[in-house]
Amino acid sequence: GAVVSQHPSRVICKSGTSVKIECRSLDFQATTMFWYRQFPKQSLMLMATSNEGSKATYEQGVEKDKFLINHASLTLSTLTVTSAHPEDSSFYICSVTSSTDTQYFGPGTRLTVL
Amino acid sequence: DAKTTQPPSMDCAEGRAANLPCNHSTISGNEYVYWYRQIHSQGPQYIIHGLKNNETNEMASLIITEDRKSSTLILPHATLRDTAVYYCIVRVPYNQGGKLIFGQGTELSVKP
Repeated sequence: GAVVSQHPSRVICKSGTSVKIECRSLDFQATTMFWYRQFPKQSLMLMATSNEGSKATYEQGVEKDKFLINHASLTLSTLTVTSAHPEDSSFYICSVTSSTDTQYFGPGTRLTVL
Repeated sequence: DAKTTQPPSMDCAEGRAANLPCNHSTISGNEYVYWYRQIHSQGPQYIIHGLKNNETNEMASLIITEDRKSSTLILPHATLRDTAVYYCIVRVPYNQGGKLIFGQGTELSVKP
């Protein structure tokens, strides 16, 4: 299966600052990546679909100006949480769809906003 | 995408088979059944998937009923490291607009 990495694994920031999370597909060229968010004791929630070379598609209720997604290459997608607030504290996870149409997930990034 | 129903929690003795059920009574003909698991504070791990035939790999077996309205994931010899939340998801292929939408899953506890 595809190998996916995320950086950083953990980040703590002050309220009002912006945080960038990277998702890399290490062994597969991914035209599509997905971003999920998971709050404690809850399931994963799909936030957006990241498409290489075009605009991301956001799920209903997800603010596109708050969560900026850039997919500039076939191996890298970034999620920037702008003007982060404590309620944005969560576990952010990306995934890629392999050539066999199976999704493989990264290890996740734990964001804590103080 | 069709929804699935799973028991919220299950226990299994170490070394025994873990059988995790999933109901997907509204599944459509082109939807696949996927199983993932998530160990605490990690990203989900792909386990297995199938359309209508039973499938087996090095991790597990997937048994899909003939009417495709339910399935069972079988971990043949559960270990303590299999303790995780297991998600059953049905999805059409991505090129048909399919997205992986997670439900609440089954929290499997493997006990010594």
